[in-house]
Amino acid sequence: ILNVEQSPQSLHVQEGDSTNFTCSFPSSNFHALHWYRWETAKSPEALFVMTLNGDEKKKGRISATLNTKEGYSYLYIKGSQPEDSATYLCAPGRDNYKLSFGAGTTVTVRA
Amino acid sequence: DAGITQSPRYKITETGRQVTLMCHQTWSHSYMFWYRQDLGHGLRLIYYSAAADITDKGEVPDGYVVSRSKTENFPLTLESATRSQTSVYFCASRATAMNTEAFFGQGTRLTVV
Repeated sequence: ILNVEQSPQSLHVQEGDSTNFTCSFPSSNFHALHWYRWETAKSPEALFVMTLNGDEKKKGRISATLNTKEGYSYLYIKGSQPEDSATYLCAPGRDNYKLSFGAGTTVTVRA
Repeated sequence: DAGITQSPRYKITETGRQVTLMCHQTWSHSYMFWYRQDLGHGLRLIYYSAAADITDKGEVPDGYVVSRSKTENFPLTLESATRSQTSVYFCASRATAMNTEAFFGQGTRLTVV
């Protein structure tokens, strides 16, 4: 099992504020890192798939960075909006097959 | 319908009964996955499959059985349901091309009474 830790477990953000949170994983045998957004009562949806050390990806106000040498990825939300409220899951993989998730960071944006 | 679909959407069953959750995808994705939603654990991997007739255990396989006789279908069977298996179950699929994202079904809410 690839140990993955997401921190914090939950956070509350005021609307308009920016925030970030972490996905940590063993740096050995790294293959790719997935980020998914999971809204309440819905299915998870992919945000990013990242592979290269130093990689940065962006989708609207959400962006992510990857450090494969030290084994972490940051997800940033700029100018949080209520619709950003969700659980954000990361899944680091040692191969291109198995997809196993961390426990997630639950973000609540207060209006 | 195109995409990935799960059935049933909701199921109530009794302890000790066998129940099968269905997952069907129309993309011919090779990789398929079953997860359960657990409070404090996010999504936990039950079983996964690389292709027809190739399946592997995930983190929480006990009490579950899978099969994959056709690429498009990946049913999950609870052989003798227990209350601890009450959960929302998600099926997902992805292509084998490097670093492709997974697509999830809408989930099956299973209650074991």
